[in-house]
Amino acid sequence: RKEVEQDPGPFNVPEGATVAFNCTYSNSASQSFFWYRQDCRKEPKLLMSVYSSGNEDGRFTAQLNRASQYISLLIRDSKLSDSATYLCVVNRNTPLVFGKGTRLSVIA
Amino acid sequence: ETGVTQSPTHLIKTRGQQVTLRCSSQSGHNTVSWYQQALGQGPQFIFQYYREEENGRGNFPPRFSGLQFPNYSSELNVNALELDDSARYLCASTPASGRTHNEQFFGPGTRLTVL
Repeated sequence: RKEVEQDPGPFNVPEGATVAFNCTYSNSASQSFFWYRQDCRKEPKLLMSVYSSGNEDGRFTAQLNRASQYISLLIRDSKLSDSATYLCVVNRNTPLVFGKGTRLSVIA
Repeated sequence: ETGVTQSPTHLIKTRGQQVTLRCSSQSGHNTVSWYQQALGQGPQFIFQYYREEENGRGNFPPRFSGLQFPNYSSELNVNALELDDSARYLCASTPASGRTHNEQFFGPGTRLTVL
């Protein structure tokens, strides 16, 4: 079993749709949690950190449930520019541990 | 832009050869991590260097080695290349201090193809 598991995707949604990504992690010692965004043939970039209290950044909302070891990302009012791969990431001490990523295509 | 640069951008090698990839960290960043990203996969941690010493290693064989220099730039060396080493290699640097101590800033990567 992989340490970080994500929805397999891809997700193809129309502009304006709401889309949710789910992620689970297996190591309860994980300390920090993130969503990264990666455009095709580009490097991953930090989208947002994820906190137990939940956090929101514009159209993006991230949630963490430590008891269930579950992380989510909600994107409201999808834009064409949101098309990318979304990587769920956990951190414990040294390395970042990435999920496989879920590809999102927003269609006009 | 993250300020992290990598060279070369693309590289083609044949099985059995050796390769050296380079990374220049963002100014003020004293920690560098290397990741391998195969096509369709998330990045996998190779190792991390802090103040010129290896500070953690992932599940990669010894033929993957690295160096960090006094100016905090770094190299990843891979010996005896195998076909499965074909991937994008990403370098990420971490600030010595910052708002988020775990935040890593990625370079654009080097695309390695082994034939």
